[in-house]
Amino acid sequence: EVQLVESGGGLVQPGRSLRLSCAASGFTFDDYAMHWVRQAPGKGLEWVSGISWNSGSIGYADSVKGRFTISRDNAKNSLYLQMNSLRAEDTALYYCAKDLGYGGNEVWEYFDYWGQGTLVTVSS
Amino acid sequence: EIVLTQSPGTLSLSPGERATLSCRASQSVSSSYLAWYQQKPGQAPRLLIYGASSRATGIPDRFSGSGSGTDFTLTISRLEPEDFAVYYCQQYGSSPGFGGGTKVEIK
Repeated sequence: EVQLVESGGGLVQPGRSLRLSCAASGFTFDDYAMHWVRQAPGKGLEWVSGISWNSGSIGYADSVKGRFTISRDNAKNSLYLQMNSLRAEDTALYYCAKDLGYGGNEVWEYFDYWGQGTLVTVSS
Repeated sequence: EIVLTQSPGTLSLSPGERATLSCRASQSVSSSYLAWYQQKPGQAPRLLIYGASSRATGIPDRFSGSGSGTDFTLTISRLEPEDFAVYYCQQYGSSPGFGGGTKVEIK
């Protein structure tokens, strides 16, 4: 059974940093691209970032480019999102999602499994 | 960047009725890289449809997807009580993006 478990969310002041983690199990992690998707309270879904199986292709939404960094550790079956210079508008539930494919050349497939999310609140 | 516009924003229907949800793209979606997801309150999104018209594993056949280019449709042939939820379309391929969602509520 595929499981994606996010952690690392919490309350943080504007301008500070936070690192999210996603622990994956139930599939061969290093065969697939992975993504972060967020959902602000009461709002829709927003793709944040994606990373290919070997970290060779990485993409970011314009809203986070230059502030967020996605990474993965295939030996630990884990995905990460380093979030710097956080803003109030980054407040959201952050989901980890598995891509159907490997993400070569930054060509992504649809997301077939999702975690339950970790809540990030940016407020003073 | 491809922008997806979903309509209507809210659909009020009764169980047993047919639901038709629209997703329009600002430019052509290549290779029908269009997916649909269902999200219920307090839950993560669930994949329903990929490639514009292929049902994901375990999805009932009352859900169907159609369309190509810039116009796509999700149809629920006969609404069951568990189908009342928010539905999102997504284009993938290059820079993934989601539509704003359509809420299907009980009339």
